[in-house]
Formats: sequence, C-alpha cells, structure tokens
Amino acid sequence: QSALTQPASVSGSPGQSITISCTGTSNDVGGYNYVSWFQKHPGKVPKLMIYDVSNRPSGVSNRFSGSKSGNTASLTISGLQAEDEADYYCNSYTTASTLGWVFGGGTKLTVL
Amino acid sequence: EVQLVQSGTEVRKPGESLKISCKGIGYSFTSYWIAWVRQMPGKGLEWMGIMNPRDSDTRYSPSFQGQVTISADKSISTAYLQWTSLKAPGTAMYYCVRQVSGSLFDSWGQGTLVTVSS
Repeated sequence: QSALTQPASVSGSPGQSITISCTGTSNDVGGYNYVSWFQKHPGKVPKLMIYDVSNRPSGVSNRFSGSKSGNTASLTISGLQAEDEADYYCNSYTTASTLGWVFGGGTKLTVL
Repeated sequence: EVQLVQSGTEVRKPGESLKISCKGIGYSFTSYWIAWVRQMPGKGLEWMGIMNPRDSDTRYSPSFQGQVTISADKSISTAYLQWTSLKAPGTAMYYCVRQVSGSLFDSWGQGTLVTVSS
C-alpha cells in the first residue's frame, strides 16, 4: 500500500514553531484515531513522540503536540531546539493492508 | 525496565539463510504484539510484519509477504525474523518494536544491521 504523504523537508529557527503534515485517506488517517509520530536521529533508534493522534508518552517534551483534521494528521513542535533536528515519521492504522499499519515517507527537520 | 534486545550484526551472501532475534525483557512477552521494521540506508521506515506472541497470529506487509517469516519462542520471550534465501546485495537495519495498544509502539530494539554481499 502507498505510504502516507509527508513533506520531504521542513525547517525553522530556534524558538520558532513548525508543523509537519501527514496526509492519508479515509482508510487510514481519516478513519481512525490511531496515528503516531516517531523521531529518528541518524544512527539512533526511533523514538515515539505522539500516539493515538495527540497523546504524549511520559518523558516527551510538551513542546511536541499532535492533531488531526479529516485525512491529515499534524505534528507541531514549538520552541524549536537544535536537538529537534531529525527525521520524523508518521504512522497510521490502515485497512488497506493486511498488516494494519503504514508509515509516512518521513520529513527531515532542519533547525537553522 | 522494558527492553527489546536484538541480536548482532550479520553478514551473509545472497541465497543464504538468516534468523535474527529480539528478546523481550522486563514485561510479559505474550501480552503485547511485536512488529519488525526495516530501514535501508537513506530511506524511510517500513513495516514488515507484526505478530501476537500469545497465539502466533501474524500479519505481513504485502511487500514482505513470502519474503520473510516472523515467529516467536514464548518460553524464552524471543521473537524472530527469518529469511530462507537472502536477496540481492544490500544493507538494511531491522528493528523490532512492541505495540502496547492502538498506535502506542513504545519500545524499540537497538536494531540489527544485515549486510548481504557476495
């Protein structure tokens, strides 16, 4: 099945806010509140930042927030910090695959 | 502390078989689904498959169906990802990850690097 659609790259200056979008269909993002976001630094293990659209795991900074409107989910990072520079992947439950899950293509966040 | 501990780096030739492992530590292994994720160099994350260790119910991504086998040994709290015949040369990192509920995939293994080279 096709990956969810994310912008290839976004950028922002320290202290600013950015939003990364993740667009799917009614078979995935739009149909279920099962969207998560992962942060991945090069050479590191992916880290869960948001689950079930807008929930933050314990230990994740409240600068990270998630939302959804229609078939598009969004990850917003406020008060950008240098250490936020990483790749970000959205993930959604999907009925379009027997596996049940699909990633977005990933977005490279650059902190200027 | 919940941990998923994966087996180490592997180098194989095309056509060879391979089985990598993921041991669950610090929690009830049969209570949570375990998934496998591939990342090739410079590429994104890809779901390969997911398994319920309690009853071995396994679902595969269409891209990996028939190419790999996911299994588990409950007695030693370990999940496996297996190839009977590795394909064309290449390198990829394979991660196991635990699903707690919904889209809550909370604990990841450290990754196993697999290189296939003649």
